[in-house]
Amino acid sequence: GQQVMQIPQYQHVQEGEDFTTYCNSSTTLSNIQWYKQRPGGHPVFLIQLVKSGEVKKQKRLTFQFGEAKKNSSLHITATQTTDVGTYFCAGGKAAGNKLTFGGGTRVLVKP
Amino acid sequence: NAGVMQNPRHLVRRRGQEARLRCSPMKGHSHVYWYRQLPEEGLKFMVYLQKENIIDESGMPKERFSAEFPKEGPSILRIQQVVRGDSAAYFCASSPKPQETQYFGPGTRLLVL
Repeated sequence: GQQVMQIPQYQHVQEGEDFTTYCNSSTTLSNIQWYKQRPGGHPVFLIQLVKSGEVKKQKRLTFQFGEAKKNSSLHITATQTTDVGTYFCAGGKAAGNKLTFGGGTRVLVKP
Repeated sequence: NAGVMQNPRHLVRRRGQEARLRCSPMKGHSHVYWYRQLPEEGLKFMVYLQKENIIDESGMPKERFSAEFPKEGPSILRIQQVVRGDSAAYFCASSPKPQETQYFGPGTRLLVL
């Protein structure tokens, strides 16, 4: 079955630094979505990417969908303590009936 | 437009009891998904339902777990004869169509003593 892997599993970042987290699918995707879960909270939708090579920005967050539509990345610049949480990617297949979530990247920010 | 509602938010059960978790999707959403999350772990898909139908239950344990989404009322995740290993956060999400954005509820945190 379809697998979605995220690396790294944990990301320790110094406040103010940049980092990137990656999402890789075993199969070609029709779309990829990113969610953020704050500690003790529930996942909240951030963004959806549909087109090959698509890049979208939300303030300090930059999301990219790979040319082959099998991978995606999330880049955060000038990390802040409010960025703490777990970032999940979720991939959908054209013939599929649901999203498949990755295991998440847990981001910890050192002040 | 109210978001996804889940109740109870916290549930404590003793081993062997039954747990019933409820989920009311967002208005206009007919697709419901249930996930389980252990502390410090990811979201594990359990079951996907559309009104009165189970579409995909590939993540559901074969025994003790069942789910329904009746024509009227909330979706129910039922766990019979709970064991300590069932302790986890159970999240429900809904979407208007398959593979569209999923909106998550606040979760039910189940603790089995």
